[in-house]
Amino acid sequence: GDSVTQMEGPVTLSEEAFLTINCTYTATGYPSLFWYVQYPGEGLQLLLKATKADDKGSNKGFEATYRKETTSFHLEKGSVQVSDSAVYFCALSDPNYGQNFVFGPGTRLSVLP
Amino acid sequence: EPEVTQTPSHQVTQMGQEVILRCVPISNHLYFYWYRQILGQKVEFLVSFYNNEISEKSEIFDDQFSVERPDGSNFTLKIRSTKLEDSAMYFCASSAVTDRSRVLTFGAGSRLTVL
Repeated sequence: GDSVTQMEGPVTLSEEAFLTINCTYTATGYPSLFWYVQYPGEGLQLLLKATKADDKGSNKGFEATYRKETTSFHLEKGSVQVSDSAVYFCALSDPNYGQNFVFGPGTRLSVLP
Repeated sequence: EPEVTQTPSHQVTQMGQEVILRCVPISNHLYFYWYRQILGQKVEFLVSFYNNEISEKSEIFDDQFSVERPDGSNFTLKIRSTKLEDSAMYFCASSAVTDRSRVLTFGAGSRLTVL
């Protein structure tokens, strides 16, 4: 079945450092890909998405590019802030193969001042 | 911005008791979901609901679980006889569509602690 793998962390960075969180997927169809973020004590919020190969999703300085050839959707940010400290979940959705989203295990990011 | 609202935010219950978790999805959304997240673990799909019936469910969603949309706004998850391993954060989500542009909007979650 479909699955998502991501680096589990925790990842600890200093403010203004460059961030990469790797995400790779396995899917039988052509999924849409998402990054969700969970701030402490809160629910999951959509950060960005991409629905087809070579699409780039971006939001709040974060970017991720849908790479079909490497089945990847790595999350990047050029300069992280303390307020970016959260858990980041990579997820896929393939409507052709069911209604549910498949989430990765999440990566905890801590940004130190 | 429209929100998915969940109540209660935290419930503590004794093993074997029934629990109902409530959700108010975004008003013009048609698809509803429950997910759960055991502490420190991944977010797991439980069930999806459309047109007043379950459209898909996972292996986790056994006979102890049920969902209902009792009126035009609420979407509930019932656990008939809770077990210790049901302790988790339960997230409700809704979406407007089910095509490739589908985005799930999640609530803040209901933390269930079973003693």
